[in-house]
Amino acid sequence: SQTIHQWPATLVQPVGSPLSLECTVEGTSNPNLYWYRQAAGRGLQLLFYSVGIGQISSEVPQNLSASRPQDRQFILSSKKLLLSDSGFYLCAWSVTPNTEAFFGQGTRLTVV
Amino acid sequence: EDQVTQSPEALRLQEGESSSLNCSYTVSGLRGLFWYRQDPGKGPEFLFTLYSAGEEKEKERLKATLTKKESFLHITAPKPEDSATYLCAVLRSTSGTYKYIFGTGTRLKVLA
Repeated sequence: SQTIHQWPATLVQPVGSPLSLECTVEGTSNPNLYWYRQAAGRGLQLLFYSVGIGQISSEVPQNLSASRPQDRQFILSSKKLLLSDSGFYLCAWSVTPNTEAFFGQGTRLTVV
Repeated sequence: EDQVTQSPEALRLQEGESSSLNCSYTVSGLRGLFWYRQDPGKGPEFLFTLYSAGEEKEKERLKATLTKKESFLHITAPKPEDSATYLCAVLRSTSGTYKYIFGTGTRLKVLA
C-alpha cells in the first residue's frame, strides 16, 4: 500500500534562517506531488505541484521554492524565512492530476 | 471567480443527532468533488470522490451527494469520534491543467 512521510512534525525557526521540509512517498511510481499551506480559517493554498522529476510548477510567487530530486521525494525550501511563512505545511500525492490527493501528517512551522 | 463555500462553519450535535454539511461551489470546468476529514494537527484524510451530479457515496455513518451546484455530507447518528473538521475540494480543469480548490471546512463537534 502507498504511504506518505513528511517531516519534521513541528519546527520553530528564527526569521532569516533557511528551511527544508522533506516529503517522500512509498508504494507508487511517478506520483503527482503537491505542497500546500493551511492557515487558520482559510482553505488549503496550493504552493507547488510536480508531475515528474525536476518538473515544478509554482502557484503563488513567494519566499519559498520546491524541488523534486527523485521520483518520490519532494522538498520545500526557503533561503531566508519571514514571519509570514509561519503555518501548517502539507505534502500530498495523487496517482494522476485528476484524482484524489492523499496527504501527509503536516509540519507546523513557526517563524520567530 | 472560482469559489468553494462550506456551511456551517461550526456545528455541534448530540450523539445520534443526524445532520448535513454543505459545500457549494462556483467553478468552471468541474472535474470532481472531494470530501476530507481533518483531525486537529493532522493532515486531511480522504473520504469520498464524486464526479457527476446525482452521484452518491457512503461510508459507515457518512453519505456524500452531489448536484450541479453543491454537495452535501450527511452524517447519520453521529458518534463523538466523528468530531473533526470536514473539508470539501473541487477539482477544476483549465486548458488541460488541473487544480484543487478547497473550502475552509466545517468544524463538527459531537457531544456524548
